Amino acid sequence: NAGVTQTPKFRILKIGQSMTLQCTQDMNHNYMYWYRQDPGMGLKLIYYSVGAGITDKGEVPNGYNVSRSTTEDFPLRLELAAPSQTSVYFCASRMGYQPQHFGDGTRLSIL
Amino acid sequence: GQQLNQSPQSMFIQEGEDVSMNCTSSSIFNTWLWYKQDPGEGPVLLIALYKAGELTSNGRLTAQFGITRKDSFLNISASIPSDVGIYFCAGQPGTQGGSEKLVFGKGTKLTVNP
Repeated sequence: NAGVTQTPKFRILKIGQSMTLQCTQDMNHNYMYWYRQDPGMGLKLIYYSVGAGITDKGEVPNGYNVSRSTTEDFPLRLELAAPSQTSVYFCASRMGYQPQHFGDGTRLSIL
Repeated sequence: GQQLNQSPQSMFIQEGEDVSMNCTSSSIFNTWLWYKQDPGEGPVLLIALYKAGELTSNGRLTAQFGITRKDSFLNISASIPSDVGIYFCAGQPGTQGGSEKLVFGKGTKLTVNP
């Protein structure tokens, strides 16, 4: 049982490049979330999903897109990377009213 | 949006000392969670609180769900070096349509000197 798995762990992008951050969970959780963590700022919600085929914006969705075609996967897409998107990105999942479980994060630098 | 005020922002203590941190809000929350984050890793759940007034322990950790539902605190007794990390509180709003999401505090960075 791997829990929440995020790939890649580290990535450096050039301004204007695009990439997809992968997140998969093997716990059959219905809820999935994407957060970004900036130094001293805690976690801010980018997008979330309450089930396959359903996604919704969080607090800071601009510059990102998501999809949820399966229960297991919730990829986060950056179309035109900007320096302001340099951050650590965390994916999380939960079932029902249970607490969220987090992956180990993707550290993204945009230069 | 809803905010959580977590304090203190950082703490420097000696091994063996007790630690206390808290989160407050102007809004009501149905659930309070406390997470710990080690460097280079994701947050790990320490304690979950589901009922106003609830006091829950997990080893040397004790957390309480405030009776007003607007605050929570976390105590760590007899701290050890491996307690080092960032501690986050998180609340699940009680508003309709808000229960899918968590609101996070900005974290308390704990340093324990051996």
